Amino acid sequence: GAGVSQSPSNKVTEKGKDVELRCDPISGHTALYWYRQRLGQGLEFLIYFQGNSAPDKSGLPSDRFSAERTGESVSTLTIQRTQQEDSAVYLCASSLGVSSNSYEQYFGPGTRLTVT
Amino acid sequence: DQQVKQNSPSLSVQEGRISILNCDYTNSMFDYFLWYKKYPAEGPTFLISISSIKDKNEDGRFTVFLNKSAKHLSLHIVPSQPGDSAVYFCAARAYNNNDMRFGAGTRLTVKP
Repeated sequence: GAGVSQSPSNKVTEKGKDVELRCDPISGHTALYWYRQRLGQGLEFLIYFQGNSAPDKSGLPSDRFSAERTGESVSTLTIQRTQQEDSAVYLCASSLGVSSNSYEQYFGPGTRLTVT
Repeated sequence: DQQVKQNSPSLSVQEGRISILNCDYTNSMFDYFLWYKKYPAEGPTFLISISSIKDKNEDGRFTVFLNKSAKHLSLHIVPSQPGDSAVYFCAARAYNNNDMRFGAGTRLTVKP
């Protein structure tokens, strides 16, 4: 009965390096979401997956950000050529998806990314 | 594009009193609204929700009110307890989309 897990929990990287953040959703949850929360700010929607496809990529801040999901399970968020403004907590959430009447999202603990 | 707005970044109330957290939205296609609670270093956790066909939903000490004409919802916590101190996020979902938009959050502090 595991919840949503994310790895790593903390990541410190140098400016210009690429990073990969991983999310393992709750088994059976077809919808998966990525958000980020910068210091002192609210949740910023990045991207959402229904199954393995992403109907809405409108929140990705730049073309340095990409995400994929495979097997209707694990998702990775990749940030290329990281910049200091990418420093934030990246949160992943999953939900039962469009076939369900439940829109409640279950969040992981987040990955704190620090770009130095 | 801030479709969900929580204009009060913080709120402080005395234990035992009512806490009222407000949320406004702009997208008339939103049909489902949720409140999440977030403690430091943890992900948000679901608290209560309301469908646009209702104007009130109650769960114990928590009640959410929806005013569709004003595009406004509020979360009432009564009586407030020190353990309620957290950041509260309002979220909304559009009927033609499965993504979720969140407000910036309101930090509630309940003083003993």
